[in-house]
Amino acid sequence: EAQVTQNPRYLITVTGKKLTVTCSQNMNHEYMSWYRQDPGLGLRQIYYSMNVEVTDKGDVPEGYKVSRKEKRNFPLILESPSPNQTSLYFCASSTNQGTSGYNEQFFGPGTRLTVL
Amino acid sequence: RKEVEQDPGPFNVPEGATVAFNCTYSNSASQSFFWYRQDCRKEPKLLMSVYSSGNEDGRFTAQLNRASQYISLLIRDSKLSDSATYLCVVNPHRAGSARQLTFGSGTQLTVLP
Repeated sequence: EAQVTQNPRYLITVTGKKLTVTCSQNMNHEYMSWYRQDPGLGLRQIYYSMNVEVTDKGDVPEGYKVSRKEKRNFPLILESPSPNQTSLYFCASSTNQGTSGYNEQFFGPGTRLTVL
Repeated sequence: RKEVEQDPGPFNVPEGATVAFNCTYSNSASQSFFWYRQDCRKEPKLLMSVYSSGNEDGRFTAQLNRASQYISLLIRDSKLSDSATYLCVVNPHRAGSARQLTFGSGTQLTVLP
């Protein structure tokens, strides 16, 4: 089954304790992205990757790191989490934009993170 | 000004009603447009793309007005299962930018029995 998986699905942690949220896709997609979703603000892009070893900042990258060592995996790292990073996080993947501009993104089920 | 703006709602409509959502975007060079649906606490999923000529998929009709920079979604004969948040999504075309999609904050729809 074609899918994007994220782990963990729920996490409660404390300020300053490093954590990693994993994301994996089995569709051989080049493009992967991380978003956070907060009430009233919608989905905001944190980081994205156009392909292996190619990553770039989105709209809200502060406090986050990513890596793309393999095509299927795109982990999100919070080196020193703070309460303002409490949010719902989504990983997504798609093929790179073609000439038509059509690029449906497939989302993982989300990770609900609470930082105390 | 936000790149993509939507009326957050909530829209509460009776079953069988017709409901329309609008969304405006700020980048006139935007290339492609979509509506995504997000159920409560779930991931967004593509509902339909929006083509320049307008397009229809069953009870759903999407339209694009480039001159006024807005897209719309019309749902006819609404069902209880249509209750969700509808996200307007735009692919902005920025020279040198590889980012793909910009999401509106969503319009919440509740269809009442």
